[in-house]
Amino acid sequence: NAGVTQTPKFQVLKTGQSMTLQCAQDMNHNSMYWYRQDPGMGLRLIYYSASEGTTDKGEVPNGYNVSRLNKREFSLRLESAAPSQTSVYFCASSGRGRDTEAFFGQGTRLTVV
Amino acid sequence: QKEVEQDPGPLSVPEGAIVSLNCTYSNSAFQYFMWYRQYSRKGPELLMYTYSSGNKEDGRFTAQVDKSSKYISLFIRDSQPSDSATYLCAMKQGSNSGYALNFGKGTSLLVTP
Repeated sequence: NAGVTQTPKFQVLKTGQSMTLQCAQDMNHNSMYWYRQDPGMGLRLIYYSASEGTTDKGEVPNGYNVSRLNKREFSLRLESAAPSQTSVYFCASSGRGRDTEAFFGQGTRLTVV
Repeated sequence: QKEVEQDPGPLSVPEGAIVSLNCTYSNSAFQYFMWYRQYSRKGPELLMYTYSSGNKEDGRFTAQVDKSSKYISLFIRDSQPSDSATYLCAMKQGSNSGYALNFGKGTSLLVTP
């Protein structure tokens, strides 16, 4: 079972460059999330999508955009990368009702120089 | 003040000890409570999940929720070196897909042989 798949696993960007982080899930989940994890800060929500066609800002949305391409895929775009966006990015998905726990991908380690 | 508070540790215990990990929260609307385990350079994986007050046991792990005190705990019995990881508590307002997970910052646990 693939679960939640993120690509790429590692990326180095120069300041000002753009890139898109890809996420796909095969669990037929409605909700998908993007988090960033920094030392001492825990997991912080960037954006989430409650269902196909909807997206909402989380705690730290500035500098990011998202697209819920279909039920399976949720991408995160950095239009003009900054060193402050150096982090580990996690995508997650969850179902509805009692199956509300989130399942995570393995993360993307992004360094902006 | 964050809605979910968790002592980051680090917590160091000898093998075989009982470990107690805790989180407090301020939002009384939280109904679903989870514990995730995260090994170094890996994504968080779901460990325990409950949506009611009281205790839930799974092998060496017990999750406890006290909604009246807004306090949740994870107990690990007979701790093993393989339990060394970061433990994150997470909670959610409801089963509606529109609610996002709120995480604590995580507690780093080291179990020494």
